[in-house]
Amino acid sequence: AQSVAQPEDQVNVAEGNPLTVKCTYSVSGNPYLFWYVQYPNRGLQFLLKYITGDNLVKGSYGFEAEFNKSQTSFHLKKPSALVSDSALYFCAVSPTEGQNFVFGPGTRLSVLP
Amino acid sequence: EAQVTQNPRYLITVTGKKLTVTCSQNMNHEYMSWYRQDPGLGLRQIYYSMNVEVTDKGDVPEGYKVSRKEKRNFPLILESPSPNQTSLYFCASSPHPLAGGGQTYEQYFGPGTRLTVT
Repeated sequence: AQSVAQPEDQVNVAEGNPLTVKCTYSVSGNPYLFWYVQYPNRGLQFLLKYITGDNLVKGSYGFEAEFNKSQTSFHLKKPSALVSDSALYFCAVSPTEGQNFVFGPGTRLSVLP
Repeated sequence: EAQVTQNPRYLITVTGKKLTVTCSQNMNHEYMSWYRQDPGLGLRQIYYSMNVEVTDKGDVPEGYKVSRKEKRNFPLILESPSPNQTSLYFCASSPHPLAGGGQTYEQYFGPGTRLTVT
């Protein structure tokens, strides 16, 4: 069965510093990987996805993620954090071409001014 | 405006009283899905639908029903709600995930429905 782990419940980073939110996955076959962000009292918003091709994927709001097949990881990164990036971040995996999705437990990012 | 809408946004009910949470999308998407969000557990998929009259169980389908009679609507039905179904529920939609070409589409999420069952 497929699964997604986000090993950190909370990540704190100072504004202007680089940030990383970690995600590891377990899935049979080729993974399709996603990052979503949830702001308070809102639904989830899509940030970026990896389907195939370059291991470094660029997405919305300056975020990027690196797919590492050998480490089964898909960490979310941003070179310079903003206070407005503070939110709950979810990693998700689809084991086939998107028929069902498994989400990680979420990581709360706090960017401190 | 392209969007997924859910109603109601907030609902407090009692054990055993049947309820329906509606979900509608205006993007002509084939794929629709229901999730529940619980602290520390992330989102767990309840049911999904690949197209009209085609539904399938997700990871936590027990106690829920769905129907897909029209492309735009995908209601979630709790026939006999119980307190362990207290949660935040999200509906989502996307173009058909098996559209071909190795494409997998991101999902568009509704604003959520906070359900409390006492």
